[in-house]
Order: sequence, then C-alpha cells, then structure tokens
Amino acid sequence: DIEMTQSPAILSASVGDRVMISCRASQSVSMWLAWYQQKPGHAPKLLIYGTSTLESGVPSRFSGSGFGTEFTLTISSLDPDDFATYYCQQYVDHVGFNFGGGTKVEIK
Amino acid sequence: EVHLLQSGGGSVQPGESRRLSCVASGFAFGSYAINWIRQGPGKGLEWVATVGGSGSPTYYNESLRARFSVSRDNSKNTAYLQMQGLRAEDTAVYFCAKEHEIGSTGDYFDSWGQGILVTVSS
Repeated sequence: DIEMTQSPAILSASVGDRVMISCRASQSVSMWLAWYQQKPGHAPKLLIYGTSTLESGVPSRFSGSGFGTEFTLTISSLDPDDFATYYCQQYVDHVGFNFGGGTKVEIK
Repeated sequence: EVHLLQSGGGSVQPGESRRLSCVASGFAFGSYAINWIRQGPGKGLEWVATVGGSGSPTYYNESLRARFSVSRDNSKNTAYLQMQGLRAEDTAVYFCAKEHEIGSTGDYFDSWGQGILVTVSS
C-alpha cells in the first residue's frame, strides 16, 4: 500500500494569509494526486486533481503542485469559507485509494 | 446534475450485518466505478472498496475484505455495500463516491453521497 502523510495536522491562520499544506507519498504516485475539502457534517468536495488541475467552480486562490512523492496545496489568500479540513488522496494504486490523515485549517 | 443518495444506516449490534445503498442519478451509472469510503468519529477518510461499472472488478481495503462486499444493480442505478460481522470499530459515516473517468477503476472521486452513519453498539 502507498501511505500518504500530511503536515501539519492542524494549521492556525488568519483571513488573508497564504497557507501551504504538505502531502507526502511513501512511493511515487507520479501526478495522480487529488485534494479534497471537507467541512463538518458534509461530504468531501473535490478541489484539485492531477496534482494541479482545479475542479470546475473552485476559486483560483487554490493551487496544487508537486510530483512523485511530494505535493503541496496552497491557498493564496485565506477566505472565511476556507476554514475546513483538507485531504490528499493518491489514485495511482487502484488497489488502495489511500488518503492522507487530513489538515485542519482553523482560525487563529 | 449528478446526485448520489445513500440509505441503510442506523444502529446495529456487534456481529450483525447491514447493507448500505447508494442510488445514483444524473449520469450514465453503469459506465462509472463507485467507491465506498468511511470516516470514524473525529477521524480521517478511509477507503473501503471499489466496484467497477459492470460490477467488476472489485477492490477492497485488505483489512475489511473478509467482512465487506460491494456490488451494484445497474438496472436500479444502485450500488451496495454489504457489511457482516460488524464491530464497534466499524462505527463511522460511510460515503459512496463516483469516479471521474468513464470505464475506469482508478481515478479521483468527483461526486460524493451525503454520507450515512452506521453505529455498532450493544
């Protein structure tokens, strides 16, 4: 199984801050990495796929980068609507679509 | 508009079985794989299983393979997760999710059901 590790687990930030979340894979997943946003009581929502492609309707303040084993989700200027938990997911290994442990972005 | 409506959750006793359903609309159901993901209380997301568009292939989280099975009835636009021998640690919100790529089993999830809570407790 490919293990996905996110850091930090909790990120305290203010509206307007630039925020970066890291995701590391235990082996290469090439570019097959997605990011999801989840708010309490709701299903996850797809933000980014293929490492850096924004899902339709996702604000341009979100961006993704990386390749292989190291990936980053960046929010260029944190909006009040962005306080949520973010998960990365690899989809190169269809025998196990493992997710990262999640990063909770909370208000500082 | 793609919609996945889940049902079948509730409280069960340890050792019992439960079947969850995921009814789809708004897309060609039989052309897309459906995945099941769960989330324990206060926990992260755990992938459970995949069922291909035609009903195969199927893939499972190895830790759950012996007790969980996935299937689908394309005539009813419905996917199922059958859970047996339920344990307290299976208590979670269970989500179904549609894969993006037609005909594939190995793609990101572009639409999710609302989630359904299964509580295993005596």
